[in-house]
Amino acid sequence: SAVISQKPSRDICQRGTSLTIQCQVDSQVTMMFWYRQQPGQSLTLIATANQGSEATYESGFVIDKFPISRPNLTFSTLTVSNMSPEDSSIYLCSAVQGMNTEAFFGQGTRLTVV
Amino acid sequence: GQSLEQPSEVTAVEGAIVQINCTYQTSGFYGLSWYQQHDGGAPTFLSYNALDGLEETGRFSSFLSRSDSYGYLLLQELQMKDSASYFCAVRDNSNYQLIWGAGTKLIIKP
Repeated sequence: SAVISQKPSRDICQRGTSLTIQCQVDSQVTMMFWYRQQPGQSLTLIATANQGSEATYESGFVIDKFPISRPNLTFSTLTVSNMSPEDSSIYLCSAVQGMNTEAFFGQGTRLTVV
Repeated sequence: GQSLEQPSEVTAVEGAIVQINCTYQTSGFYGLSWYQQHDGGAPTFLSYNALDGLEETGRFSSFLSRSDSYGYLLLQELQMKDSASYFCAVRDNSNYQLIWGAGTKLIIKP
């Protein structure tokens, strides 16, 4: 199994600013992902964080808005740039370990943009 | 397009049995998973089916029929702590990405 430490757990930010969310996994993982989730709704995949290379973004998400880093097999960051109130959401990082079918999640970052 | 359908809400009584269904339409299929998410918490893995049939883990069981593109999660001996949202998710490729259903909110009454 893997334990993911995600921080910050919550933040209130001014519009136009940026926030970087960090995820640290306690063991090496094969894949890391970043999701967005509105309360009461499903998970929307933002991107796959690729180790040592540019992230792979899903339709509707772009690198300029959501730059992602993954410098090694246990750490990744997501930055929400030039924030607007529409970016208010819960952001989750997730990881898959080896051929394991289970996805592990960080505890989430509840972001409010004012 | 790719989609998973599950009921938005299910209500059951403590001690009873409840079944949450999931039908999927995806371009590929590498398995159906179920996750539980309590309010304010992160999703946690419950079960995974890659082949047809029933998988049992304690009070929870999961079933898959690939020919029907259908699966379900069965929760027995319901406890109040089982009140949560339950998501089905399909791996549709070899990149471990998951396609998520909209989630089923399970309400348990005493």
